[in-house]
Amino acid sequence: QSALTQAASVSGSPGQSITISCTGTSSDVGAYNSVSWYQQHPGKAPKLMIYYVSKRPSGVSNRFSGSKSGNTASLTISGLQAEDEADYYCSSYTSSSTLVFGGGTKLTVL
Amino acid sequence: QVQLQESGPGLVKPSETLSLTCGVSGYSISSGYYWGWIRQPPGKGVEWIGSIDRSGSTYYSPSLKSRVIISVDTSENQFSLKVNSVTAADTAMYYCVRSPHCTGGRCYNGGLYSEYWGQGTLVTVSS
Repeated sequence: QSALTQAASVSGSPGQSITISCTGTSSDVGAYNSVSWYQQHPGKAPKLMIYYVSKRPSGVSNRFSGSKSGNTASLTISGLQAEDEADYYCSSYTSSSTLVFGGGTKLTVL
Repeated sequence: QVQLQESGPGLVKPSETLSLTCGVSGYSISSGYYWGWIRQPPGKGVEWIGSIDRSGSTYYSPSLKSRVIISVDTSENQFSLKVNSVTAADTAMYYCVRSPHCTGGRCYNGGLYSEYWGQGTLVTVSS
């Protein structure tokens, strides 16, 4: 299985909105509504931000939202804040009963 | 509150076996979910290794399947990872996770996402 495709980096100014895309195939992202997104700050474990494409765990800000169209999923962060600067990873369930991650996107808040 | 804690040697010699254990508190493994391992080489992205359920059914990443064994000990409420014939490429932070596997009235083998994560343990492969 190949890793999901994410842009290496994205940036935005405080208050702006940014979108991170995650492209897979018809055997993973396109096949299941089980795309999840994780935020990782330096030296910390990844933290679940979005699951089942668009659901937020308790405690995650509603500035984070997710969507999917075909083989591509997206994470949108609105009202960008300095604390949002981190690495973001997408993940999807696959037809082989495994999980696959994207390569990660580094978000810089200007 | 569910908590996971990885433990094991921080240094392993090339060609030897990497062995880690994940202790779970706040939830009984025998009650359900999938329990998995994810790793992250220094400065790189995360990679799913595999998962196991309470009955011992396992699912592995195709790229690691030939060298990995995940096992569960419900009596100790812990699960373990073994990676054989390690090389420097296996140097990474290793995380254990809990993965839900049922949604919309249907359950999926292997787990659907990583809900709870341990803090991670760094394993270095070096002589």
